[in-house]
Amino acid sequence: DADVTQTPRNRITKTGKRIMLECSQTKGHDRMYWYRQDPGLGLRLIYYSFDVKDINKGEISDGYSVSRQAQAKFSLSLESAIPNQTALYFCATSELSSTDTQYFGPGTRLTVL
Amino acid sequence: GQNIDQPTEMTATEGAIVQINCTYQTSGFNGLFWYQQHAGEAPTFLSYNVLDGLEEKGRFSSFLSRSKGYSYLLLKELQMKDSASYLCAVNSGGYNKLIFGAGTRLAVHP
Repeated sequence: DADVTQTPRNRITKTGKRIMLECSQTKGHDRMYWYRQDPGLGLRLIYYSFDVKDINKGEISDGYSVSRQAQAKFSLSLESAIPNQTALYFCATSELSSTDTQYFGPGTRLTVL
Repeated sequence: GQNIDQPTEMTATEGAIVQINCTYQTSGFNGLFWYQQHAGEAPTFLSYNVLDGLEEKGRFSSFLSRSKGYSYLLLKELQMKDSASYLCAVNSGGYNKLIFGAGTRLAVHP
């Protein structure tokens, strides 16, 4: 079984709809992250969380919100989706260590029409 | 500002060696990562450098020069399955916030 899972894997929705993307991990890591990836651009950080009570905005948090329901679960919401939020979304986890390597989930491809 | 530059595309021949360069300008530095990403899939960790020098791991090696803000990923004995994007990312310090380059798309041909 995969250590970091994301649901759904693909989603097509319409402008104005509320969407939730979910991430679960069995790695036991405290730190979780949400990124988006667009063609020709690097991965960009949306939100990150270092434990259940800690939520921080990343580089591009406008239009997004998150919820850390448990150590293993971190959800990303688009309150009112717009077409320029069409992208590939990745969840990642890491543990506090000398390298703090991040491990990525399989991604969710979101299309907003 | 914070900036990471890497070539957009490279091509190489099966069995050859290829070097993918990455230059960075960041407000801080706490390590540099290389990830491999096949089309439509998750990035997977390849290597980590925090001190100057070469780190070797099988067919892949990664080099870092902090004074020059420069790293490269060296892939030896290229295989078709190495066709992928290679992402350079810098931990700019504090809370493991990675800054990613746009990635280098490598095509390996027979």
